[in-house]
Amino acid sequence: NAGVMQNPRHLVRRRGQEARLRCSPMKGHSHVYWYRQLPEEGLKFMVYLQKENIIDESGMPKERFSAEFPKEGPSILRIQQVVRGDSAAYFCASSPRGNNEQFFGPGTRLTVL
Amino acid sequence: RKEVEQDPGPFNVPEGATVAFNCTYSNSASQSFFWYRQDCRKEPKLLMSVYSSGNEDGRFTAQLNRASQYISLLIRDSKLSDSATYLCVVIPDSNYQLIWGAGTKLIIKP
Repeated sequence: NAGVMQNPRHLVRRRGQEARLRCSPMKGHSHVYWYRQLPEEGLKFMVYLQKENIIDESGMPKERFSAEFPKEGPSILRIQQVVRGDSAAYFCASSPRGNNEQFFGPGTRLTVL
Repeated sequence: RKEVEQDPGPFNVPEGATVAFNCTYSNSASQSFFWYRQDCRKEPKLLMSVYSSGNEDGRFTAQLNRASQYISLLIRDSKLSDSATYLCVVIPDSNYQLIWGAGTKLIIKP
């Protein structure tokens, strides 16, 4: 049973470009969470999704950031017009139920030049 | 007061020693608790769940103190490979969202 998969593992973008991060949850998991982690800081919750639904996006900036989890395919975190402050590690986690322990993917390290 | 609080450390501990750290939570109705470990530049990994009766897994023991609203993690006979950041996670009552502590950094020295 493959774990949570994220790609790309490393992503470099110039200011103003778009970043698209993908997350495939563990088999049988329909709950996906996105977190951001700045260097030397803790995890910050961004958004929680179930298939085709955003359950909670309270941690996600209102502008430039969006997330989806379509019926088919991976969950996507999209950052438009990236700025240097978006440079961070973005982790995706999945769980079989909403109030259950979460399993993490290896993360995508975004660097904005 | 933060919902979940941890001493950031770092805890510098000699190899072979026993180390313990706590995590306090503010919501008295919280139901589920976990300890995760995160190595530098890696993803968090589930270390153990914390049950009301406490639980032990090898050198690791986790305990829950509901009266004082904290959970603890005890590591016996510490190894160099135990060096990591230990994250406390709490699930509030009937809520889906995990509340994460900022982590306690542990450094085991030879």
